[in-house]
Amino acid sequence: EAGVTQFPSHSVIEKGQTVTLRCDPISGHDNLYWYRRVMGKEIKFLLHFVKESKQDESGMPNNRFLAERTGGTYSTLKVQPAELEDSGVYFCASSQGETDTQYFGPGTRLTVL
Amino acid sequence: GQSLEQPSEVTAVEGAIVQINCTYQTSGFYGLSWYQQHDGGAPTFLSYNALDGLEETGRFSSFLSRSDSYGYLLLQELQMKDSASYFCAAFNQAGTALIFGKGTTLSVSS
Repeated sequence: EAGVTQFPSHSVIEKGQTVTLRCDPISGHDNLYWYRRVMGKEIKFLLHFVKESKQDESGMPNNRFLAERTGGTYSTLKVQPAELEDSGVYFCASSQGETDTQYFGPGTRLTVL
Repeated sequence: GQSLEQPSEVTAVEGAIVQINCTYQTSGFYGLSWYQQHDGGAPTFLSYNALDGLEETGRFSSFLSRSDSYGYLLLQELQMKDSASYFCAAFNQAGTALIFGKGTTLSVSS
C-alpha cells in the first residue's frame, strides 16, 4: 500500500510569488493534516480535513495560506504571496479515524528568497 | 497552553541503551506518540501509549505515566542507523491535531 506522497519535494521561490503544494494521502484515509516545521522549531499543526471539509484550521498562520481538498482525496496548500518567514518543511499526514495513528509524507522543503 | 518537553540531544555508543524522556502539559489527553525522523525526511510512527505502562516493539519500548504527565522512549541494542531525531507528540484538546515536542537528536557512535 502506498504511503502519503507529497509534491514537489523541494521548491525555491522568490518573495511575492505563489507556490502550491500537493499531498496525496493513504487511500481510504478520510483525515488529512498539514503541518509545518520552521528551522530550529517544532513541527506545528496547520489544519485538518475530514474528507473535503475543514475540521480545524486554527493553525493556519494567516490568509496568505489556502488549503483545499476537493473531492476528499488529494489536498493542495497554496501560499500567495509567499514571504521569507514561510520557508520551512511542509508535511502532510493522514489517518483513518481522527485519533488514529497519523502517517506522514516526506514533506516539501520550501525556500522563499 | 499545551507543550511537550524533551531533551535536545542525546549521544550513545553502539550496543548501548538510551532513554529519551518527554514531559507534557495538555488540556485533555488521549495518549503519547513517538516518531522518528531521519535527516529531515518523513516522521515515521514508532509507538503510541494510551494507557499507563510499557509498550514493547522489538528494540524500542515506550512508557507512559499519566499521573506524572511523563513518558519515555527506550532504545536498546543501539545501531548506527538509529541516529535520528525522535519526537514525542500528543493530540490537542479537540483530539484532532498532534502537538509535537521540539525533538531529540540521537547520535550513535561506534
